[in-house]
Amino acid sequence: AQSVSQHNHHVILSEAASLELGCNYSYGGTVNLFWYVQYPGQHLQLLLKYFSGDPLVKGIKGFEAEFIKSKFSFNLRKPSVQWSDTAEYFCAVNIYSGAGSYQLTFGKGTKLSVIP
Amino acid sequence: DSGVTQTPKHLITATGQRVTLRCSPRSGDLSVYWYQQSLDQGLQFLIQYYNGEERAKGNILERFSAQQFPDLHSELNLSSLELGDSALYFCASSVEWGTGRSEQYFGPGTRLTVT
Repeated sequence: AQSVSQHNHHVILSEAASLELGCNYSYGGTVNLFWYVQYPGQHLQLLLKYFSGDPLVKGIKGFEAEFIKSKFSFNLRKPSVQWSDTAEYFCAVNIYSGAGSYQLTFGKGTKLSVIP
Repeated sequence: DSGVTQTPKHLITATGQRVTLRCSPRSGDLSVYWYQQSLDQGLQFLIQYYNGEERAKGNILERFSAQQFPDLHSELNLSSLELGDSALYFCASSVEWGTGRSEQYFGPGTRLTVT
């Protein structure tokens, strides 16, 4: 079965530190990749997405992600985190499941705590 | 605010009971998705509807069912509830179906506690 792995369960950083959250998926076909974020007490919202083309994609709030096909990876990065980035981050892969349908499969999430 | 609404916010019920969770998608969105989030399983896709028709099924138990009504709101029915069904249930909506590229907009979730 297809799966999405996020390597870190909880990451703690100081403000201004750089961030990289790992995401690997197991699926050999065409994938559509997403990073969602859930701020405390809020709904899940889209950070960025990749379908094709330039493997380095930029999202909102200074986040970017790099798709490396050979490594089945889609890691999320931010050069300098802020306290307001404290949230839970979810990597997701939309995989074709037949009959014109897709299923969005999520990783288990990484909680990011940024210390002022 | 994503534009997706879910009611109720919290639900506490006993084992063996049946509950109905409701979702209203964003204005203009025809697809509705249901997800279950639990500590051990993470966020799991349950089922998708597009314009009233079921389009995709994930890890949805036979005790669970859903439907999408002509006004596009959706209901998730959970019956013969077990302690393990305690979780956060999210609804999401998107404009289209069948491309795999649509952004899904998530509601605030319904927290179900089965005692």
